[in-house]
Amino acid sequence: AQSVTQLDSQVPVFEEAPVELRCNYSSSVSVYLFWYVQYPNQGLQLLLKYLSGSTLVKGINGFEAEFNKSQTSFHLRKPSVHISDTAEYFCAVSGDTNAGKSTFGDGTTLTVKP
Amino acid sequence: GAGVSQSPSNKVTEKGKDVELRCDPISGHTALYWYRQRLGQGLEFLIYFQGNSAPDKSGLPSDRFSAERTGESVSTLTIQRTQQEDSAVYLCASSFVAGGADTQYFGPGTRLTVL
Repeated sequence: AQSVTQLDSQVPVFEEAPVELRCNYSSSVSVYLFWYVQYPNQGLQLLLKYLSGSTLVKGINGFEAEFNKSQTSFHLRKPSVHISDTAEYFCAVSGDTNAGKSTFGDGTTLTVKP
Repeated sequence: GAGVSQSPSNKVTEKGKDVELRCDPISGHTALYWYRQRLGQGLEFLIYFQGNSAPDKSGLPSDRFSAERTGESVSTLTIQRTQQEDSAVYLCASSFVAGGADTQYFGPGTRLTVL
């Protein structure tokens, strides 16, 4: 069975500071990894995903994530955050068995303060 | 093009009543997913469809929950004899195919409140 753990439920940071949102996963098969973002009063949208190849994945709005197989992690980073990055961020994993089932973490609330 | 739409956006019902939640996927998307999101929690997988077939119903919480899909179009999630613990936001998503690598596109959700 696959699972996802987002290590921080809330991350407060000041504007223009760097941020890292942590995600660890477990799976018995090869995985695909995703970060989704949910802005206030909006639906979830894809931020970035790792399927294969380069372990460093770049997404929208200046976010990037690094797949680390040995540490089973997929941490999300941004070198300088903006007020508009305030949102809920979800890490998700899916595998190539039971292909339709994705497992989501509990989410990390990123609050960017001026 | 149009995104995933869900209706109603809000539903308030009394304990014991049945409710139907509707999802219209993006045109051309063969896969459709239902999730439940309780307040302050992550997304809980309920069920997915590839076409109108549901290969995995293991996420449905109880036999009070059922879902169906007409072809590669609209899906309905039905909750019978609602309980207060059913209160949550129910999210629908669709993707081109039900492959683990495919990006899911989410609707705005239906907020269900059971009194």
